[in-house]
Amino acid sequence: QQQVKQSPQSLIVQKGGIPIINCAYENTAFDYFPWYQQFPGKGPALLIAIRPDVSEKKEGRFTISFNKSAKQFSLHIMDSQPGDSATYFCAAWRGSARQLTFGSGTQLTVLP
Amino acid sequence: DTGVSQDPRHKITKRGQNVTFRCDPISEHNRLYWYRQTLGQGPEFLTYFQNEAQLEKSRLLSDRFSAERPKGSFSTLEIQRTEQGDSAMYLCASSLSTGHFSNQPQHFGDGTRLSIL
Repeated sequence: QQQVKQSPQSLIVQKGGIPIINCAYENTAFDYFPWYQQFPGKGPALLIAIRPDVSEKKEGRFTISFNKSAKQFSLHIMDSQPGDSATYFCAAWRGSARQLTFGSGTQLTVLP
Repeated sequence: DTGVSQDPRHKITKRGQNVTFRCDPISEHNRLYWYRQTLGQGPEFLTYFQNEAQLEKSRLLSDRFSAERPKGSFSTLEIQRTEQGDSAMYLCASSLSTGHFSNQPQHFGDGTRLSIL
């Protein structure tokens, strides 16, 4: 049962472009929504996160947009760089169960 | 901050053998989590500890899997009678337990990649 659906599976953009990764969830018990970045051979690293009572959060070049009524959230990467090439995972945290549920990932390639 | 350490980084074994992985969390973190990640997928929660107590287990954690955290510090994950389907990356994460997730984000290790021949 996939509780967090992520799209697209892969994404290729030119340097300076703005890749957008989308996620949707069903379980309203989720109460925090982090995004992770993973490079090959490495573990996921927390990038940015948002609470469901906030519609947008920016940290540097990364922005999360959150639509609580639609149960959707997305990651935008401004002025993308080749070094941003990685796999990105959205996730949802259910505090009552101390569980993090991940999406299936988006492999981003930023061309120089 | 030495980060979460996992050992070994890679393990190749024959089907039917037992394997054990070790995770050393960030020293002041009292929560420790195990996840499994298969190729092209996101990590899937297996189990978590608060100090030495195992508080939650996923249905993914079959009877062949056992995890321990005997002194509330490092943890081990053992898989008995390994099967082809056990091939995956096993990730460990640790966190504090104070307050909301925003104050207690999970820090991941680089995983142990298990290959079953």
